[in-house]
Parts: sequence; structure tokens; C-alpha cells
Amino acid sequence: DAKTTQPTSMDCAEGRAANLPCNHSTISGNEYVYWYRQIHSQGPQYIIHGLKNNETNEMASLIITEDRKSSTLILPHATLRDTAVYYCIVRVGFNSGGYQKVTFGIGTKLQVIP
Amino acid sequence: DGGITQSPKYLFRKEGQNVTLSCEQNLNHDAMYWYRQDPGQGLRLIYYSQIVNDFQKGDIAEGYSVSREKKESFPLTVTSAQKNPTAFYLCASSRTTGFPEAFFGQGTRLTVV
Repeated sequence: DAKTTQPTSMDCAEGRAANLPCNHSTISGNEYVYWYRQIHSQGPQYIIHGLKNNETNEMASLIITEDRKSSTLILPHATLRDTAVYYCIVRVGFNSGGYQKVTFGIGTKLQVIP
Repeated sequence: DGGITQSPKYLFRKEGQNVTLSCEQNLNHDAMYWYRQDPGQGLRLIYYSQIVNDFQKGDIAEGYSVSREKKESFPLTVTSAQKNPTAFYLCASSRTTGFPEAFFGQGTRLTVV
């Protein structure tokens, strides 16, 4: 799986958009970008994933650059409950064979401030 | 409700004792994983299994053992050979077709005294 780089921490004012960047410059053509978050002392929670098109669901939006070397997770109106560690990972999609190992880095600690 | 259950949430053991952490899922997922998390650190993969009766070592398997006798169960044994077993342990499962987002349990915090 490709390596990702994220800032260690970020702050965001409550009600504002939180933009969390992720660099994955060595991503290959068959690798997807996934985002998870982990609220303190809980298990990580899946947020969103994408290949090359921008994606949106009820939790967040994912913007992937045209060259796919970086992406941004957007929480449109951050609340205090969004305070968590956010993980960006890349992994192959299916039809690639082999074990689908999932590896997490340190992530970005997002602090939403009242 | 479908989900993944880890038990117990908190576990205390004396040094030198083996301890087994439970992980059960009713999501009909083929793949299951065990991770370890230390304070301020990311998740490190211990073992993973894609099908029943088969599992592979992850990045930090030394001092741990697993079994996968049933699709829904993937217990982890922390043996006395694990030098620093105190940590937060997370179990996860996923499909192996389509888009395999992983579902995580709520974790077991193991403290060895």
C-alpha cells in the first residue's frame, strides 16, 4: 500500500468547514483513498473513499486532485463531536488479488473549538 | 443489529500470564484483523485473516497468536512472550469484494501489572 502524509494536528472553529489534507504522491492507478476517524478510546469509523472523482456522502466530501497525488477531506460544518483523529489510507481496490491488508498511520488530530 | 463485538472492554492481567481477547462479528465478513494502538500512536497490524482456517502475520505478530475456526470469530491471545503487552487492542472486519471499508469493534484496553 502507498504511504500517506498528514499533518499531525489541526484546529477548526465550530460551524466552519474543516479541510484535512493528505499527500499520497506514490499512489498507483488501482489504489483508492479511504478516510476513517477515531474518536477518543473508540474504534475507528469509516467516513468515505474515492478513486479519482470527488465524492460526497452524509458525513463528508472527498476532493482528489487530478494527478491523484493528494486529497482533502472536508467536513462542511464542523461540530464539537467531530473532534477526533482522522486517518487517510490508500489501498488497492478489488480484482487485484491477494490479501486486503489495511494499515493505518498516525493520522491528523482535529480539535474543533467552540 | 449487525456489528463487531469485542470483550471485555477493560482487562487486567498479571505479568507472565497469557490472556485471550474475544472478537465476534455478525456481518458475514470474510476478513478479520487485529490491531494494537499505543498512546498517541497509529494502529499497528498484528494479524489478519481473509478466510476461515487461514491467517497471516501483520507487522508486529511476535508474542501474539490467533485462530480462525469460525467465520464470525477471531480471538487474539497475548502470550507471556509479548514484552510490552499493555495497550489498546482493536479488532476489525471487512468484506473481500466490492469496496471493503473496515468495521471496527470498540476495543479492549489491556493492562498488565
